[in-house]
Amino acid sequence: AQTVTQSQPEMSVQEAETVTLSCTYDTSESDYYLFWYKQPPSRQMILVIRQEAYKQQNATENRFSVNFQKAAKSFSLKISDSQLGDAAMYFCAYRSMASGTYKYIFGTGTRLKVLA
Amino acid sequence: EAGVTQFPSHSVIEKGQTVTLRCDPISGHDNLYWYRRVMGKEIKFLLHFVKESKQDESGMPNNRFLAERTGGTYSTLKVQPAELEDSGVYFCASSTGSYSGNTIYFGEGSWLTVV
Repeated sequence: AQTVTQSQPEMSVQEAETVTLSCTYDTSESDYYLFWYKQPPSRQMILVIRQEAYKQQNATENRFSVNFQKAAKSFSLKISDSQLGDAAMYFCAYRSMASGTYKYIFGTGTRLKVLA
Repeated sequence: EAGVTQFPSHSVIEKGQTVTLRCDPISGHDNLYWYRRVMGKEIKFLLHFVKESKQDESGMPNNRFLAERTGGTYSTLKVQPAELEDSGVYFCASSTGSYSGNTIYFGEGSWLTVV
């Protein structure tokens, strides 16, 4: 069975600085998706970034980028130029590409605090 | 366009009582999912509807949980009778089509506290 591990329950970053959130996963599959979701307080969980395992290039979305290391089964999220609005719970998630599979496997989350 | 909406946002009930959570997916989304996060732990899959049919209910913890999706529109998740360990946040999500790469959209969650 697949598992996702986020070893940092909480992280802090100074506004305008860079922070990296860690995520490791375990799977025997070769084709899958990896995601980072963000949930601000009392708000919907939204997709931050997505990576297909078959793509070697790391995904980027504006200030958000990932370091995807397939062999090491590592998928970290880097947030550059941190803003107060980045404060949220961040969840790393895995989903198989196998046909008919829709189930997400989530980590326990990392709470990010942004200090003014 | 309205997102996934869940009701109630917060609920506090006594052990042994019944609670019904409701989810309205994004209009036109055939796929609807329920997930749950017990505090401090990971978000876990409960079940997946395609229209009104249960596609996968492997994550449902026990028979105290009953999910329905009438007419393939909104869904309800009933917990009866509630136990202390049922406390947590219940997330609903929806997505279009049959392609597993489609993005799923989450609601804000329903916080359930059983005392």
